[in-house]
Amino acid sequence: DAKTTQPNSMESNEEEPVHLPCNHSTISGTDYIHWYRQLPSQGPEYVIHGLTSNVNNRMASLAIAEDRKSSTLILHRATLRDAAVYYCILRDRNAGNNRKLIWGLGTSLAVNP
Amino acid sequence: SQTIHQWPATLVQPVGSPLSLECTVEGTSNPNLYWYRQAAGRGLQLLFYSVGIGQISSEVPQNLSASRPQDRQFILSSKKLLLSDSGFYLCAWSWGAGGTTEQYFGPGTRLTVT
Repeated sequence: DAKTTQPNSMESNEEEPVHLPCNHSTISGTDYIHWYRQLPSQGPEYVIHGLTSNVNNRMASLAIAEDRKSSTLILHRATLRDAAVYYCILRDRNAGNNRKLIWGLGTSLAVNP
Repeated sequence: SQTIHQWPATLVQPVGSPLSLECTVEGTSNPNLYWYRQAAGRGLQLLFYSVGIGQISSEVPQNLSASRPQDRQFILSSKKLLLSDSGFYLCAWSWGAGGTTEQYFGPGTRLTVT
């Protein structure tokens, strides 16, 4: 079973911020929260990851709830190139436990011009 | 910089025919390698995982097999394809498998079994 829950689809307008939610109520203390995105007909691309504190990089920001049971990927200004499926997955700190990574269906983000 | 190659990009094969998909990584050594399959409208399913030459872990029972003859080469094979083998096959690599490591994906091979 998937360990994360995301909305099937979301829509945004170009130049506006986008908040993509992810619920992971059964997260363990050793799970890192990773986000990837997949553009049409391409392989997934790493976006960002975090453990407890909020994280920022050139692509996005990751806001993690204090109880770590949910997180939000923030795209500060959506562009048409951000239209993709966004996946939220959990990765255990212990390498041996990551052999069976579970990817859900993700959120399909549409960006309107 | 590191790059990952997959070929072919697309493939149409009849049921019962053999399959060989190849993945190579450049610019790194001793990577962890992965084969995933993505059926239409579905998430990614991990098929095989390798931490080194000749070391293959199978995550899902099926008629597929994987081999790693060289450090940066990962091959997905089948002796007889089934209709259910159709999908988008993705190869990925990472430096490790811990919680902070990123996975880098190839461009994928779209396989249609007819």
